[in-house]
Amino acid sequence: NAGVTQTPKFQVLKTGQSMTLQCAQDMNHEYMSWYRQDPGMGLRLIHYSVGAGITDQGEVPNGYNVSRSTTEDFPLRLLSAAPSQTSVYFCASSNGYEQYFGPGTRLTVT
Amino acid sequence: AQSVAQPEDQVNVAEGNPLTVKCTYSVSGNPYLFWYVQYPNRGLQFLLKYITGDNLVKGSYGFEAEFNKSQTSFHLKKPSALVSDSALYFCAVRDEDGGFKTIFGAGTRLFVKA
Repeated sequence: NAGVTQTPKFQVLKTGQSMTLQCAQDMNHEYMSWYRQDPGMGLRLIHYSVGAGITDQGEVPNGYNVSRSTTEDFPLRLLSAAPSQTSVYFCASSNGYEQYFGPGTRLTVT
Repeated sequence: AQSVAQPEDQVNVAEGNPLTVKCTYSVSGNPYLFWYVQYPNRGLQFLLKYITGDNLVKGSYGFEAEFNKSQTSFHLKKPSALVSDSALYFCAVRDEDGGFKTIFGAGTRLFVKA
């Protein structure tokens, strides 16, 4: 099992550009989440999903879109990147309680 | 809405001494509580959880945590700290009645000195 995989590992964007952070899991977990980690702020929940076709907003959803067309994949879209979105992004999956995290994507927006 | 507070940004402890990392929470229903650890330049790893039952839960690497409903706390403990325990620790909470939405604290950095 690869667990939770995220691509890319690093990304630099210019303000206003769009991109998609990819997340996939091979554990057949129903639950998936996206978090951002910023110094002194801990992890903040962006969006989460409780199954294919079902998503909901977390603490900081503005500027981000998600969709869940399959159980395995949960991409995070930045439609128009802003410097405030510079962060480390973690995807996680769960079978209902504890979460399993991917290695993260470090995003810099200039 | 649920929330988590980790009142200490940093905890320093000598190797061999007991350690405690504090966490308090707020939920409207019954809480599900979790501790995670993040080693430098790595993702987060699950340590332990409280769902129901015994207030003292044991987890990975010799860690344990005590659920205290009256004080709304879930402090992480270890009887004898190791230098290799040095890492960033996160407490997280989920409201039993709130679906899967899981909120994390700001994290506490643990330094264990040899």
